[in-house]
Amino acid sequence: GAGVSQSPSNKVTEKGKDVELRCDPISGHTALYWYRQSLGQGLEFLIYFQGNSAPDKSGLPSDRFSAERTGGSVSTLTIQRTQQEDSAVYLCASSEDRGRPGYTFGSGTRLTVV
Amino acid sequence: QKEVEQDPGPLSVPEGAIVSLNCTYSNSAFQYFMWYRQYSRKGPELLMYTYSSGNKEDGRFTAQVDKSSKYISLFIRDSQPSDSATYLCAMSEAGNTPLVFGKGTRLSVIA
Repeated sequence: GAGVSQSPSNKVTEKGKDVELRCDPISGHTALYWYRQSLGQGLEFLIYFQGNSAPDKSGLPSDRFSAERTGGSVSTLTIQRTQQEDSAVYLCASSEDRGRPGYTFGSGTRLTVV
Repeated sequence: QKEVEQDPGPLSVPEGAIVSLNCTYSNSAFQYFMWYRQYSRKGPELLMYTYSSGNKEDGRFTAQVDKSSKYISLFIRDSQPSDSATYLCAMSEAGNTPLVFGKGTRLSVIA
């Protein structure tokens, strides 16, 4: 596609429920990143996929968070047993693997846990 | 001390003013420095990218990196109301490693 596509754009869920957030990166981009943006907290790195390598999960805040990337393309971020502090905008980005930094971000999924 | 520090503002300037946005950082291994612009309810978009120290100019925008002081700046000349957004600095150690972001500075340019 022309850009990074994320769905849903907004999600309201009840505390304790599981949610899945989807990211469709730019075609041909081998690197994919998930970030979380909370009010007043800036962008917080969550997880990074690069080609067929094992993902860098060092930013995941707890074991309730997991992500997978199927076929080197679409990625799903799953949050189990959601808590109110999980409310944030979840941003996905992708980039080419050519040692050139700078990613293209999607518009994000705004998650509200009530 | 956080790895990247950025004054959140808000910063309000009249149209036509020169705007200066800054970040400081603590990790001397950072080599790649970027500025992103984020409009409300949109994802950040890459504005400027600089490798190592030096200046880079693109139209009304100039990015400066001073690695000896661990300080980066973004200057906007002849600011326009359309420049009103949140500006985020970001940096990384290598070309395709996760970026570390500042908290962003909210800028308003008043017509």
